[in-house]
Amino acid sequence: RKEVEQDPGPFNVPEGATVAFNCTYSNSASQSFFWYRQDCRKEPKLLMSVYSSGNEDGRFTAQLNRASQYISLLIRDSKLSDSATYLCVVSPTNAGKSTFGDGTTLTVKP
Amino acid sequence: ETGVTQTPRHLVMGMTNKKSLKCEQHLGHNAMYWYKQSAKKPLELMFVYNFKEQTENNSVPSRFSPECPNSSHLFLHLHTLQPEDSALYLCASSQGLAGGLSRSGANVLTFGAGSRLTVL
Repeated sequence: RKEVEQDPGPFNVPEGATVAFNCTYSNSASQSFFWYRQDCRKEPKLLMSVYSSGNEDGRFTAQLNRASQYISLLIRDSKLSDSATYLCVVSPTNAGKSTFGDGTTLTVKP
Repeated sequence: ETGVTQTPRHLVMGMTNKKSLKCEQHLGHNAMYWYKQSAKKPLELMFVYNFKEQTENNSVPSRFSPECPNSSHLFLHLHTLQPEDSALYLCASSQGLAGGLSRSGANVLTFGAGSRLTVL
C-alpha cells in the first residue's frame, strides 16, 4: 500500500464547477499535511497547509480527518487557471521526510 | 522566481559522463533537499541537508553524490548514470526541516524550477 494515495483522476470540469480531491495516508503518526500545485513542466508550489480544524483560502477549502486518515481539497467556482496537478503531501513526526502523492490532474474547460 | 535557483535547467549526458547539478537558495533557509520526479511517478525524496549536514539519504545509488558546502548551496554530482535516471531533479529548501510541527508555515518546501536530465 502506498504511503499517500490520491484520487487517480483526471478531473475534467467546466468553469464554475465545484470539484473535490481526496487523499489518504497510511502513517497514523503523520503530523503535517499540505496541498501543493504543480503546473505542467513547472515546479510544485505550496497551495495551502491543512490544519486539524480545517482551513479556507478564498475558493479553496482543505480538511483533515485524522480518524479516517484522509485529507481533502475543495475548489469552488473553478477557473481555467486552476488547471494543474494537485499534490497531497504528508510529513511524519521525523521532520524532513515529506511524502508526496502521485497527484491528481484537474482540467477546467470553458 | 521562487528564491531557489537551479542550474542547468536542461542536461543531456552519456552514461560515462560526469556532470553536476547546482542549487542555490536566497531565502535564508537552513534545510535543503534533492527530489527526483520521473514520468508518471510521485516525487521521490533523495537527500536532506540541515545546516549543511546530511540528515537523510533515501537509499540513493552511489552514482548520485550530494554536496552541501553551506546552507545556501547544494550540488548533486552525477557519474556513470543509467538511462532510467532520466528525470526532473528538483531542489527545495525550507526554514527548518519540512513537515516540522510549525503552524507558521516556516517549514514548508520551496522548490526550484528543476533540472531536466536526459541520460543517453
